[in-house]
Amino acid sequence: EAGVAQSPRYKIIEKRQSVAFWCNPISGHATLYWYQQILGQGPKLLIQFQNNGVVDDSQLPKDRFSAERLKGVDSTLKIQPAKLEDSAVYLCASSQGVLNYGYTFGSGTRLTVV
Amino acid sequence: QKEVEQDPGPLSVPEGAIVSLNCTYSNSAFQYFMWYRQYSRKGPELLMYTYSSGNKEDGRFTAQVDKSSKYISLFIRDSQPSDSATYLCAMAEAGANSKLTFGKGITLSVRP
Repeated sequence: EAGVAQSPRYKIIEKRQSVAFWCNPISGHATLYWYQQILGQGPKLLIQFQNNGVVDDSQLPKDRFSAERLKGVDSTLKIQPAKLEDSAVYLCASSQGVLNYGYTFGSGTRLTVV
Repeated sequence: QKEVEQDPGPLSVPEGAIVSLNCTYSNSAFQYFMWYRQYSRKGPELLMYTYSSGNKEDGRFTAQVDKSSKYISLFIRDSQPSDSATYLCAMAEAGANSKLTFGKGITLSVRP
């Protein structure tokens, strides 16, 4: 079974620039999550999709962050404009259903905002 | 008070030691308790999964949940250098829209 694919692995941008991350979940997994992991902290949920609908985006800074999951498969997370405090690893995870807690995480995208 | 508190680290032990990792939580609605292991520059991987209170054993790993004390533990027996990683506890409420809430993580180093 192929894992959760994320790209790019690393990204360095200047503050106020925009950036986008891509995630391809495990085939057949209906639920997709984007987490933000700041250095030295645990992952924090940004947004949760069930198929192509949003289940929870309560912690997504909507003034600068946006996410979509077209056709219920791949997903993109965008930041525009980026701030220094957005420097973090952005993790994508997927699971078979909302009540299945066996999340599979990708390796993440490490974002540095300078 | 944070919903999930995890013992601060880092933790360094000799090979073969028994390791105890702990988390406390404040949300009495949490029903699902997990431990994830995260190697450097990798995503977290599920290590142990427990529903409600009790113990669960898998090889050298034992997870314990005490809901009355709002306390969970992960024990690693006969620790190996390959166990060197960051360990994250995670918890969730029951329900269709529930989400995982993670602790900060503790970095474990097992010395050969």
